[in-house]
Amino acid sequence: DAGITQSPRHKVTETGTPVTLRCHQTENHRYMYWYRQDPGHGLRLIHYSYGVKDTDKGEVSDGYSVSRSKTEDFLLTLESATSSQTSVYFCAIKETGDPGEQYFGPGTRLTVT
Amino acid sequence: AQKITQTQPGMFVQEKEAVTLDCTYDTSDQSYGLFWYKQPSSGEMIFLIYQGSYDEQNATEGRYSLNFQKARKSANLVISASQLGDSAMYFCAMREGWSNYQLIWGAGTKLIIKP
Repeated sequence: DAGITQSPRHKVTETGTPVTLRCHQTENHRYMYWYRQDPGHGLRLIHYSYGVKDTDKGEVSDGYSVSRSKTEDFLLTLESATSSQTSVYFCAIKETGDPGEQYFGPGTRLTVT
Repeated sequence: AQKITQTQPGMFVQEKEAVTLDCTYDTSDQSYGLFWYKQPSSGEMIFLIYQGSYDEQNATEGRYSLNFQKARKSANLVISASQLGDSAMYFCAMREGWSNYQLIWGAGTKLIIKP
């Protein structure tokens, strides 16, 4: 158990509203990741962080922003949610050392109506 | 071009049989790693097995083994003596180099074990 929690676990929101998803880890891992999972696409990286205040874009970052003000928390914000952002969002950490496998939180199911 | 290709969207296998899930990859890096994950219907992502590009032996973890054919750029997951609990989505992922540990994911294979 990598001690990763995500909140909320489920959310329904309306188009145009801001939404923030939280990922919390308890083991001081340096690297954290946000993915979205859609049918037929596997997981796609949105943003990742390699330390406090150090973040970078992934493959599908448009419409998303992130923040990491503490090692344990990595926030994903949808500034103005759209229906295309309806998805399951996973947070992950990279295990220390090699091979650096990633461990995942339980996921957040977001529906934008 | 797709970097990770899983050509089997779905598979049915009889319980206790061995099953091979295909994964081909595309990279020009000499140093890379390949990972397999399992996602049961409950939704969590479970790390199964890892193979590094410089590893000379195929990786094994219990009933899971990886058939790594570097020249063919394939990293197939083999599950021996399948069980009903093996029914799940299976994802292959690749890390290129070591700079930021990003993983590139395949679309997955849905495996159903029949009793």
